[in-house]
Amino acid sequence: DSGVTQTPKHLITATGQRVTLRCSPRSGDLSVYWYQQSLDQGLQFLIQYYNGEERAKGNILERFSAQQFPDLHSELNLSSLELGDSALYFCASSVGYTGSYEQYFGPGTRLTVT
Amino acid sequence: LAKTTQPISMDSYEGQEVNITCSHNNIATNDYITWYQQFPSQGPRFIIQGYKTKVTNEVASLFIPADRKSSTLSLPRVSLSDTAVYYCLVGDKDRGSTLGRLYFGRGTQLTVWP
Repeated sequence: DSGVTQTPKHLITATGQRVTLRCSPRSGDLSVYWYQQSLDQGLQFLIQYYNGEERAKGNILERFSAQQFPDLHSELNLSSLELGDSALYFCASSVGYTGSYEQYFGPGTRLTVT
Repeated sequence: LAKTTQPISMDSYEGQEVNITCSHNNIATNDYITWYQQFPSQGPRFIIQGYKTKVTNEVASLFIPADRKSSTLSLPRVSLSDTAVYYCLVGDKDRGSTLGRLYFGRGTQLTVWP
């Protein structure tokens, strides 16, 4: 158990809908990262937050947004969903935000868009 | 932009040493190079990270040449339970004040045979 929790574990929704994925980092970790993993794209970095502020950004679509709250949990919002958004979404946490990438991953949320 | 290249797959037998190399150019000057292990339907698990030369922990060694354009993960005496996908993770070069990106390689599927 990494100490990172993600909810829900599974999510099935229709195209055009909006969903919210939630992540609670390990106790003491200030950084949260979001990743998308699909069969054809591998692990894709989406975005990183550190202590409530956006710190790094990857190939995150404009339809996607994220935030980190004062209690350090984070939410990833996916809107106007398309079939191609079906994937495993992982959240990870770490102590800091630069240099070291020793991250601890949650179990993931499997999103299926029908 | 940083880019990583790893072999798609490798095979080994129990008890052998396995070396997996990741090529990465244009990585961030001050960032560590980090390796992860992933089992099916689980989040990646941190193995080891290093900046230069050689780092060793209880499960692996990591070799990084002076130019930091590649890194080699060494797994001593592999067992069947080491069958997994192995990823290297690097950060973009010269992030400075701009928002940088993190890059996972496409991963190397290691299969260990009895």
